[in-house]
Amino acid sequence: QTVVTQEPSFSVSPGGTVTLTCGLSSGSVSTSNYPSWYQQTPGQAPRTLIYSTNIRSSGVPDRFSGSILGNKAALTITGAQADDESDYYCLLYMASGIWVFGGGTKLTVL
Amino acid sequence: EVQLLESGGGLVQPGESLRLSCAASGFTFSSYTMTWVRQVPGKGLEWVSSINSGSRTYYADSVKGRFTISRDNSKNTLYLQMNSLRAEDTAVYSCAKDYGSGTYSLQYWGQGTPVTVSS
Repeated sequence: QTVVTQEPSFSVSPGGTVTLTCGLSSGSVSTSNYPSWYQQTPGQAPRTLIYSTNIRSSGVPDRFSGSILGNKAALTITGAQADDESDYYCLLYMASGIWVFGGGTKLTVL
Repeated sequence: EVQLLESGGGLVQPGESLRLSCAASGFTFSSYTMTWVRQVPGKGLEWVSSINSGSRTYYADSVKGRFTISRDNSKNTLYLQMNSLRAEDTAVYSCAKDYGSGTYSLQYWGQGTPVTVSS
């Protein structure tokens, strides 16, 4: 069974830079997994930040960027703001035709 | 404006069935892959099932054989037929629209409909 791994929690100072990662329990993440990233605050529907590895969704500030770092997908937030405090989920597409979410990262800005 | 409105959730007993609907508007429904995602309150997101524009279907192992995804392009509506429901199926179920063009990513999400499976 494929498991997508994310850091359970992360902390960043206001104005700081943080990189969240998204890996596979077995193997490497590549652009063929079409990694996407979603931001969710409590009680709200997820908001799409990044799709197809590094394409920002409409209206998403350019301080959010996506990439492949080593064998993982990565979401980097540059110049973190207080309202970036949220849960962040990655989603990977598997060649077998299924999608798998990571467990999510709870980001604290303090 | 893209709108996705789920309905059909509720309280059912283990072993019973439920059919969820997702009414879509603001885009050419028939052209996009549509997906069901669920989330237990306070927990993470779980991909449940997707159906592409050609009506090819995909399921998570946790629901395969029990859930059926379908679409009615004439009604711009996505469905999820859930049979043999279990307590662990309790969650908020949301539908989502794909970006299209082979991006395999979700663009718009509905607010969800809650499903509770309990005796």
